[in-house]
Parts: sequence; structure tokens; C-alpha cells
Amino acid sequence: SQQGEEDPQALSIQEGENATMNCSYKTSINNLQWYRQNSGRGLVHLILIRSNEREKHSGRLRVTLDTSKKSSSLLITASRAADTASYFCASGNTPLVFGKGTRLSVIA
Amino acid sequence: NAGVTQTPKFRVLKTGQSMTLLCAQDMNHEYMYWYRQDPGMGLRLIHYSVGEGTTAKGEVPDGYNVSRLKKQNFLLGLESAAPSQTSVYFCASSLPTAGLYGYTFGSGTRLTVV
Repeated sequence: SQQGEEDPQALSIQEGENATMNCSYKTSINNLQWYRQNSGRGLVHLILIRSNEREKHSGRLRVTLDTSKKSSSLLITASRAADTASYFCASGNTPLVFGKGTRLSVIA
Repeated sequence: NAGVTQTPKFRVLKTGQSMTLLCAQDMNHEYMYWYRQDPGMGLRLIHYSVGEGTTAKGEVPDGYNVSRLKKQNFLLGLESAAPSQTSVYFCASSLPTAGLYGYTFGSGTRLTVV
């Protein structure tokens, strides 16, 4: 399997705390993407980081990429209950290879 | 505002029955994909298409067939359903540069085979 792995599989934090999720991937990449999935819904594209970037910010999201270790991390700052969802990394081009996801629970 | 639409949203099949899942997109995307999502397994690619009239196998194609007769539609067929095909099925579409712009997903079809 070419699937990547997210770590941890599940994460539970209090509202206002930061949440960090990690992703290791197997494929060579041009870019790495992160997606969010609310319970019972489809995945939604969050952010993309190019292989020549080391860090990228978008609102409360911060993504880092280490191509030498084939790993990426997603940081959500000042988390809210509405951030409760599963988060997936995806690598490759066509087709994308998705990791197994991290289930984030933010407790109000 | 439709994006990617999947029908049906829910279905229960008996073992051995057949069915077709329909995916329709209105974004003029060239590429379309079918994934299945199972607990602890993430998303696994079943089949995909890079254009009208073309299809290719993904990671878990056995037991499924697909057709892309029109650019906007991608059909997933189960000829003889098995309990192992109980899953949530997601369709997605993208530009050829999916690595730059990502996928647009449908809301899923929850299939139970009894």
C-alpha cells in the first residue's frame, strides 16, 4: 500500500488549546495537501504546501513539510468545538494517496 | 453550487444483488475518482478516470466496475454485492493538476450489504 500514516489516530483536547497532527507519506511529492472531514460528510480541501516550502499559514492553520523525512504536520491554533473532525493528509498528483486520518475532538 | 453530487445517499443490498452508484459533477473537471472509506483504513482508491471514455484501476478494484460515458458522470457498479463491500463510498473530481488544486468530494454513499 502507498498510503501514508497520520499520527496520532485520535486526539482529544480542550477548546482553546492547540492541536498538532503529523503525517508521514511514502510517495515522492510535488505538493502535500490536508483535508478535513466532518462526521458523515465528504472531505474538504484545507491547505496545500509545495515541496519547496517548509512552512505555510492560513488563518489558524499552520502546515510544515520536511521532504527529507517525508513528513508533514498540521497545527490548528486556538481550537474550537467546530474544529472537531477527521483530518487527512494527501500526497502525490493523480491520483492522490490519502493517509488514514486523525480524529480530532475539541471539547468545549 | 452543486459541485459533486452522489446518488443514492444510503442503500441496503442483499448479498448477490447488483447496483450502480452515480456521481455527477458540474465543474467541468477532467478527472474523477471513486474511493471507499472503512474504519481504520482511511480512503482507498477503487477506480479513476482521466477523461471521458477512459478508466483505470486503483488500489482495490476487485468486485467493482466503472464507466465514464459522459464527462460529467462517473458510475460505479457492483455486479454481485458481498458483505465485504459494506462501506462508505466517495466520489471526487479534479482538474488534471490535482496536486496543485486538490479534489472536490461528494458527500458519500453509505452502502450496507447484508
